[in-house]
Amino acid sequence: AQSVTQLGSHVSVSEGALVLLRCNYSSSVPPYLFWYVQYPNQGLQLLLKYTSAATLVKGINGFEAEFKKSETSFHLTKPSAHMSDAAEYFCAVRPNFGQGTTLQVKP
Amino acid sequence: DGGITQSPKYLFRKEGQNVTLSCEQNLNHDAMYWYRQDPGQGLRLIYYSQIVNDFQKGDIAEGYSVSREKKESFPLTVTSAQKNPTAFYLCASEGAGHGEQYFGPGTRLTVT
Repeated sequence: AQSVTQLGSHVSVSEGALVLLRCNYSSSVPPYLFWYVQYPNQGLQLLLKYTSAATLVKGINGFEAEFKKSETSFHLTKPSAHMSDAAEYFCAVRPNFGQGTTLQVKP
Repeated sequence: DGGITQSPKYLFRKEGQNVTLSCEQNLNHDAMYWYRQDPGQGLRLIYYSQIVNDFQKGDIAEGYSVSREKKESFPLTVTSAQKNPTAFYLCASEGAGHGEQYFGPGTRLTVT
């Protein structure tokens, strides 16, 4: 079965700093990949998805992710963190999810 | 408004009681999923259904049961056989396309 691994359960950045959340997938065939965000006590919201149309995918709230087949990676980035970005982020290859990464943004 | 609803938001039960969590969607999606979320463990798949009257076990189906009698509804029953039922439960649906899932707001179940 296809799976994803998120590296780092907690990431802390300062407001305005680069956000980098790491995700690696295991699949011999490029899968459809997703990043979701979850705010406390809420459901998950889709941030962006990779569907093989383009390797650099732009999502909501200024996030983007780059699919790198050679590295089997799909890392999530945002150039400048905002306090409102503090949440838990999940990488997924349907129907399996990574363990999640909690992003803390310090003022 | 189209979306997925889960009810109730919070649910409390005594140990030994079965409890049913509701999940309804009006997105006309064929596939529906139930996940369990525990701190530090991400989302774990309990059951999923790709079509009415059919469903499959996920990774942690023991102690749970589901039904899919209508396209819109996919209720989850947490039975007394589930050894550690206290958790946050998330329902999702998926339409035709690339597999993106749409999530409900979740139900937090506490069993004492």
